[in-house]
Amino acid sequence: QKEVEQNSGPLSVPEGAIASLNCTYSDRVSQSFFWYRQYSGKSPELIMSIYSNGDKEDGRFTAQLNKASQYVSLLIRDSQPSDSATYLCAVNIFNDYKLSFGAGTTVTVRA
Amino acid sequence: DTAVSQTPKYLVTQMGNDKSIKCEQNLGHDTMYWYKQDSKKFLKIMFSYNNKELIINETVPNRFSPKSPDKAHLNLHINSLELGDSAVYFCASTPGGYEQYFGPGTRLTVT
Repeated sequence: QKEVEQNSGPLSVPEGAIASLNCTYSDRVSQSFFWYRQYSGKSPELIMSIYSNGDKEDGRFTAQLNKASQYVSLLIRDSQPSDSATYLCAVNIFNDYKLSFGAGTTVTVRA
Repeated sequence: DTAVSQTPKYLVTQMGNDKSIKCEQNLGHDTMYWYKQDSKKFLKIMFSYNNKELIINETVPNRFSPKSPDKAHLNLHINSLELGDSAVYFCASTPGGYEQYFGPGTRLTVT
């Protein structure tokens, strides 16, 4: 079993719609969860971090964490063409200093 | 102000050569990382240093040798380059094992 798994995508959504990205992780004791956005040819950029169960909102982004189900998600509301990118889920696995990344979900927002 | 910088941005070299990549961060972070992102975009940790001490050493060929002269700098030296080493190498830093901030990447092409 992979440490961090994401829905494979690609995910295509119309402009203005909600994009929903999912991530599951294997380590029950993980405490820190992150979403990174990576544009083609660029480096990963941190867009959300979440540490406790529930929802965390930042602008058009909402991260949701359910530690009992070992599940973290990212919702992008009112999707814009500029949201077209690969979204990477990252989780602290076993070690506070180590992040394990999912394979990423590529999102395309259609104008 | 560039927070995490890497040089060079592009590196094209032949098999068997030795090359180095340099990373510097001006964020005052104690911990720095090297990641490799392959053609399938999977981001995998290679090494991490905390205040000049090696704390993460993943299963990486010993042709790869990291060095941290001080906590703001982390270099990666690669001996006897192989075709499979072609990838994008990212440096990252973190203040305390949580959110990581990535450099722009070095695209290495081995011919």
